[in-house]
Amino acid sequence: NAGVTQTPKFQVLKTGQSMTLQCAQDMNHNSMYWYRQDPGMGLRLIYYSASEGTTDKGEVPNGYNVSRLNKREFSLRLESAAPSQTSVYFCASSQTQMNTEAFFGQGTRLTVV
Amino acid sequence: DAKTTQPPSMDCAEGRAANLPCNHSTISGNEYVYWYRQIHSQGPQYIIHGLKNNETNEMASLIITEDRKSSTLILPHATLRDTAVYYCIADYGGATNKLIFGTGTLLAVQP
Repeated sequence: NAGVTQTPKFQVLKTGQSMTLQCAQDMNHNSMYWYRQDPGMGLRLIYYSASEGTTDKGEVPNGYNVSRLNKREFSLRLESAAPSQTSVYFCASSQTQMNTEAFFGQGTRLTVV
Repeated sequence: DAKTTQPPSMDCAEGRAANLPCNHSTISGNEYVYWYRQIHSQGPQYIIHGLKNNETNEMASLIITEDRKSSTLILPHATLRDTAVYYCIADYGGATNKLIFGTGTLLAVQP
């Protein structure tokens, strides 16, 4: 059981380049999330999707776009990368019902130079 | 979502119980208390959650005060592998689950 899979695991971008971080889950979960974690900090919610076809802003959405492609996949796009977006990005998923826990991927380490 | 407050760091001797406190004085009646941990730079891992009653699983116990304004996560016999950042989150869960993380408590288990 793969759980939550993120690709790529590492990426280096130049300022102004664009890229898409991919996330897929195989647990038939309705809700999916994208977080960023800066060094020595906690996780901050970028965007989340409560169900297929819906997305909502989290705490730090500026500079990012998301797509809930289908129930399995939730992608995060950086249109014009900036050094301030250097971070570790985590994807997570959970079931819709209350009283359930979330499962996290292993992260994508992004460096913008 | 209710805000939670945790101490930034704690130490615990290996083999002893680790008691991690969390304050959530503004928690609403339908919000659960969730605990996650993050070992090194890995993705966070779910530990336990509860609403009103104390809960126990194979990893830990969760003690929630009667007024639900605070809780304690107990690792009964801490090992070096329990060294991690522990996050306490108050959330409804499910469709309204935004799962907002705070800064957590860095637990250092000492040999």
